[in-house]
Amino acid sequence: DIVMTQTPLSSPVTLGQPASISCRSSQSLVHSDGNTYLSWLQQRPGQPPRLLIYKISNRFSGVPDRFSGSGAGTDFTLKISRVEAEDVGVYYCMQATQFPWTFGQGTKVEIK
Amino acid sequence: EVQLVESGGGLVQPGGSLRLSCAASGFTFSSYWMHWVRQAPGKGLVWVSRINSDGSSTSYADSVKGRFTISRDNAKNTLYLQMNSLRAEDTAVYYCARSENHYGYWGQGTLVTVSS
Repeated sequence: DIVMTQTPLSSPVTLGQPASISCRSSQSLVHSDGNTYLSWLQQRPGQPPRLLIYKISNRFSGVPDRFSGSGAGTDFTLKISRVEAEDVGVYYCMQATQFPWTFGQGTKVEIK
Repeated sequence: EVQLVESGGGLVQPGGSLRLSCAASGFTFSSYWMHWVRQAPGKGLVWVSRINSDGSSTSYADSVKGRFTISRDNAKNTLYLQMNSLRAEDTAVYYCARSENHYGYWGQGTLVTVSS
C-alpha cells in the first residue's frame, strides 16, 4: 500500500496569514494514464470530509481560490493564502493512483 | 443537487451484524463507482470497500475482508454494506462516497458502535 505522510500534524496560524501543509507519498503517484490522482480534503469539526483539490491542483466546485495545490511525483503541498476562521479543521491528502486508496494522517489547522 | 444519506448505524455487540444503507439522489447513481470509508473516533480516514457501477466487481480492505459485503441496487439508487462478525475495532463513523478518482461527494456518515 502507498503510505501518505503529512507534515506538520498541527498548524497554529494567525487569521489572515498563510498556511502550508506538505504531503509525501511512499511511491510516485503518476498513474499509467498520465494523471496524478492526489487530492486534498478538509474536515471541519463534526462534519464529513469535503473535497478541496483534486489531481494535484484542481479546485473542486465552490472551493475558494485562497486554497491551492501543487507538487509532482511524490511531494505535494496545499496552501491557504490567507487563513479565515472557517478554515479551522483537519486536512487530509489522499491518493487514488493505486488501490487501495490511502489517506495521510491529517493536519489540524487551528487559529493562534 | 447530489445527496448521499447513510442510515443503519447503531450499537451492536461483538460478533453481531449490521446493514448500512446509503441513499443517493441528484445524479445518475448507476454510472458511478461507490465506496465506503470509515473514521474511528478521533482518528483519520480509512478506505473500507468499493463497488463498480453495475455491482459486478467489489474490493475490500484486508481488515474487513470475509466479514463485510458491499452491494448496490441501482433501481433503488442505494448502496449497502453488510457487516458481520463485528469487532470493537470496527467502531467508527461510516461514510459512503461517490468515486471519480477522488471523493467529490460524501454522506453525513452513520455511527457504528461495537460494544458489550
